[in-house]
Amino acid sequence: DTAVSQTPKYLVTQMGNDKSIKCEQNLGHDTMYWYKQDSKKFLKIMFSYNNKELIINETVPNRFSPKSPDKAHLNLHINSLELGDSAVYFCASSPGGELFFGEGSRLTVL
Amino acid sequence: AQSVTQPDIHITVSEGASLELRCNYSYGATPYLFWYVQSPGQGLQLLLKYFSGDTLVQGIKGFEAEFKRSQSSFNLRKPSVHWSDAAEYFCAVVSATSGTYKYIFGTGTRLKVLA
Repeated sequence: DTAVSQTPKYLVTQMGNDKSIKCEQNLGHDTMYWYKQDSKKFLKIMFSYNNKELIINETVPNRFSPKSPDKAHLNLHINSLELGDSAVYFCASSPGGELFFGEGSRLTVL
Repeated sequence: AQSVTQPDIHITVSEGASLELRCNYSYGATPYLFWYVQSPGQGLQLLLKYFSGDTLVQGIKGFEAEFKRSQSSFNLRKPSVHWSDAAEYFCAVVSATSGTYKYIFGTGTRLKVLA
């Protein structure tokens, strides 16, 4: 059983489109995160939710909107995609200690 | 502000040689520190963590790290590297404010292992 699963794993789309990435964790953790990893492998935190409540919102364009329907799910919706949005997006969950990562979703914007 | 510095972008070692990856952090209180490994096309896997207690921490895959408060360092070591250790390694610190944990990562060190 995959602890933190993301779908889709790969996403190729045109500029201006809207896309979503879904994340689910079966670890029973209260806190979930979205990280963006750029082409230089730099990991930057985007959002964090604790039990469906937004607790961290870094300087991210309004085109990015997270949604947490329940504490096991944290989805990321991106509007009006731009070339600079191309990256690998990682979902993670945590019980308050270490982070448990999904395998990432590679988004390519053409 | 909290930060993590990994001074070495790339490191190349021969298989069987020893390894040390450097990590320096900036944090006002006692830090929670982590090392993660990322293999190509994969997510990040926790190697080891330091919260408190013994400053020499043992992890998976034969890795260890030593917390040195005086040097603000948390260097990762392995006595004998295997070809399968080739990957990207990330050091991280977590800052906790009012029960909110924010994990801050270094820029990573890419390890190449020569046969």
